[in-house]
Amino acid sequence: EAGVAQSPRYKIIEKRQSVAFWCNPISGHATLYWYQQILGQGPKLLIQFQNNGVVDDSQLPKDRFSAERLKGVDSTLKIQPAKLEDSAMYLCASSLTQRPLHFGNGTRLTVT
Amino acid sequence: RKEVEQDPGPFNVPEGATVAFNCTYSNSASQSFFWYRQDCRKEPKLLMSVYSSGNEDGRFTAQLNRASQYISLLIRDSKLSDSATYLCVVNIKRGSTLGRLYFGRGTQLTVWP
Repeated sequence: EAGVAQSPRYKIIEKRQSVAFWCNPISGHATLYWYQQILGQGPKLLIQFQNNGVVDDSQLPKDRFSAERLKGVDSTLKIQPAKLEDSAMYLCASSLTQRPLHFGNGTRLTVT
Repeated sequence: RKEVEQDPGPFNVPEGATVAFNCTYSNSASQSFFWYRQDCRKEPKLLMSVYSSGNEDGRFTAQLNRASQYISLLIRDSKLSDSATYLCVVNIKRGSTLGRLYFGRGTQLTVWP
């Protein structure tokens, strides 16, 4: 089975610029997650979708981060404007409901 | 207090050694537990789920102690390829939500020849 696809793999931007990440989950997985992982830390949940509805976005910095999953399949995560502290790996994951997560390769973001 | 606490290590052990990692969680409503493995600059991958009765997968044994709220992972006969960061993960359900996975910061293991 094809895994979770993410793009781009790497992105370097200057602070105050905008950036968008894309994720295509495993086919049939209703639940999609975006995690932020800062170097040396564990992944932190930003947002969780169940189909195209948001289940949990309590840790999403909504003043600058947004995410959508319009048709219940692909998802995009946007940061606007970026700050230095947003430098991290952004991981998309998907799962069947109440099952373990499968992660994509991640997007490594560097904000200069 | 963090939901999941892990000793970040690093643990440096020779090939063939036995090594154990512990993880504590703070929320007694935690319902399911996992160990993930993460190689340097790669995504986390599920290593094993942790069941109440304890479970084993080859050289790996996971234990859960609900009374003391800790989870352990034991690796026997360590291989060079076991070098990675091991993430303790806890699923906490609150009310009618699906639950949220909380990740520890990971324990780094290096196995040397």
